[in-house]
Amino acid sequence: SQTIHQWPATLVQPVGSPLSLECTVEGTSNPNLYWYRQAAGRGLQLLFYSVGIGQISSEVPQNLSASRPQDRQFILSSKKLLLSDSGFYLCAWSTHRGGDTEAFFGQGTRLTVV
Amino acid sequence: LAKTTQPISMDSYEGQEVNITCSHNNIATNDYITWYQQFPSQGPRFIIQGYKTKVTNEVASLFIPADRKSSTLSLPRVSLSDTAVYYCLVGDARRDDKIIFGKGTRLHILP
Repeated sequence: SQTIHQWPATLVQPVGSPLSLECTVEGTSNPNLYWYRQAAGRGLQLLFYSVGIGQISSEVPQNLSASRPQDRQFILSSKKLLLSDSGFYLCAWSTHRGGDTEAFFGQGTRLTVV
Repeated sequence: LAKTTQPISMDSYEGQEVNITCSHNNIATNDYITWYQQFPSQGPRFIIQGYKTKVTNEVASLFIPADRKSSTLSLPRVSLSDTAVYYCLVGDARRDDKIIFGKGTRLHILP
């Protein structure tokens, strides 16, 4: 069966420090991968998505970047965190099959920038 | 991606049936309708998906009229644990690589 791992679960980082969040998927190949951010009490904002190794699409220009070095690995990074980067970060994957699809989410990382 | 409109929030009581309606007037021929549930501090979870008429699983039912311009998620006999945010999404995975979530409906179940 497919599983998605996302870590760490919580993170407190000072302003100006770097960030690296990692997400890996098991049990499937060539998935679509996604990074979302959710501010407190708000909806899910799509940050990046990837349809293949090295292919990254950015939805919102910001202080973050994403990379996909391997088929089932998706990394969210920042060189210098801002206070506004605080939030709940979620990684997800989906398949390319047919018109119907569903996305599977990791457990999330709660990032607090102080 | 078809734009969706759903109520911002709803309240109901334990044991009641809850219906959440989503409008998607610009739905395309090949679009599917998908509903997700999100609890606090968790990622969304797939509930149900349909293309037309009615779909039922162990969690919910999805009613889609013939014109497909709206859909209704029906939760039978809700409990306190059904308190969550429910998202309606419309799209075609063969056409759209990205999955966009709207604001969802915040459902609050009262005892």
